Amino acid sequence: EAGVAQSPRYKIIEKRQSVAFWCNPISGHATLYWYQQILGQGPKLLIQFQNNGVVDDSQLPKDRFSAERLKGVDSTLKIQPAKLEDSAVYLCASSNYRERSNEQFFGPGTRLTVL
Amino acid sequence: AQSVTQLDSQVPVFEEAPVELRCNYSSSVSVYLFWYVQYPNQGLQLLLKYLSGSTLVKGINGFEAEFNKSQTSFHLRKPSVHISDTAEYFCAVSAYTGGFKTIFGAGTRLFVKA
Repeated sequence: EAGVAQSPRYKIIEKRQSVAFWCNPISGHATLYWYQQILGQGPKLLIQFQNNGVVDDSQLPKDRFSAERLKGVDSTLKIQPAKLEDSAVYLCASSNYRERSNEQFFGPGTRLTVL
Repeated sequence: AQSVTQLDSQVPVFEEAPVELRCNYSSSVSVYLFWYVQYPNQGLQLLLKYLSGSTLVKGINGFEAEFNKSQTSFHLRKPSVHISDTAEYFCAVSAYTGGFKTIFGAGTRLFVKA
């Protein structure tokens, strides 16, 4: 079974530029998550999708961050414009909502550096 | 709402020594509990999970954890660590309140010394 795929693995941009990250979840997983992990901290949920609908985006900075999952499979997270404090690892995860524990499977992450 | 506290930010230990990484949680509803491990430049990998039943849960790589409902704890243990266990460990709590919500602790860096 293929795992969660993310690209790119690394990205360096200057502040005020735009950036986009891509995620392909495990086949059949209806739930997809985007997390922000700042160095030395645990993952913080940015947005959660159930199929192509948003379940939770309460911690997404909507003035600069956006995410979509148009066909209920892969997803894109965008930052526009980026700030220095956006430097972090962006993790994508997926889960099978039919499995009662909500165990999440993580991709390798995208390390973003904003200069 | 639930919360998770990992009591130690760093734990240095010598190879072959036992280790315990501590995790406490709070929640007004029943929870599922997880420990994940993160190696450098990688995503999180599940070590073990507690759903129900036996309070002692065994996971991969020789790790185990014990769920203590009265103390709201879910501490992770390994009787003898290896250099390769050096990594960041995250405790997470998941609760269903109209939808699943999972909260991660801040992490504990385990550093195994030769």
